[in-house]
Amino acid sequence: GENVEQHPSTLSVQEGDSAVIKCTYSDSASNYFPWYKQELGKRPQLIIDIRSNVGEKKDQRIAVTLNKTAKHFSLHITETQPEDSAVYFCAASNNNNDMRFGAGTRLTVKP
Amino acid sequence: DTGVSQDPRHKITKRGQNVTFRCDPISEHNRLYWYRQTLGQGPEFLTYFQNEAQLEKSRLLSDRFSAERPKGSFSTLEIQRTEQGDSAMYLCASSSPWRNPSGAYNEQFFGPGTRLTVL
Repeated sequence: GENVEQHPSTLSVQEGDSAVIKCTYSDSASNYFPWYKQELGKRPQLIIDIRSNVGEKKDQRIAVTLNKTAKHFSLHITETQPEDSAVYFCAASNNNNDMRFGAGTRLTVKP
Repeated sequence: DTGVSQDPRHKITKRGQNVTFRCDPISEHNRLYWYRQTLGQGPEFLTYFQNEAQLEKSRLLSDRFSAERPKGSFSTLEIQRTEQGDSAMYLCASSSPWRNPSGAYNEQFFGPGTRLTVL
């Protein structure tokens, strides 16, 4: 089955700096890679996703890159703001079936 | 509220008791997923349904766990003979086979979760 590794587990940046979170996956059949943001006590919410036929996707300050050959994908947040502070989870699945999540990265943006 | 709802939000039970949770997905979503999340970890996939058919079950889902979606709408997750290790947040999510208005594929929308504490 799929195994998703995520690092770092914690990340602290200064407001305005960039943050990068990296994930690797094991199942070459995985073709859908979403990123979720979870604030304390709240449900996970999708912030961006990418499918395996695309190498990069950007949405304002957030971008995701995918390297299918190396089986890794990354989340990039530019111009970080205090409200970006949360736990971020990467995930991988084959056609959005059994989704496997990483262990999460706790991002702290210091004002 | 047209989002995914779960009931109850909190459940405290004694070891050995049975518990049942309910999930109501977004109405037009044909897929429904159950996850378990413990503190400091990502959601762990348990099982998912497409309409009323249960298509996949994780090895995490022991014989004490059973999930149903009899009419392809709401789903229930039952845990029999609860153990302290079952204490966790149980999350439900649903998805549509079509893109959402922002173009995302098959986004899974999560419910608020049911927090289970087994004493």
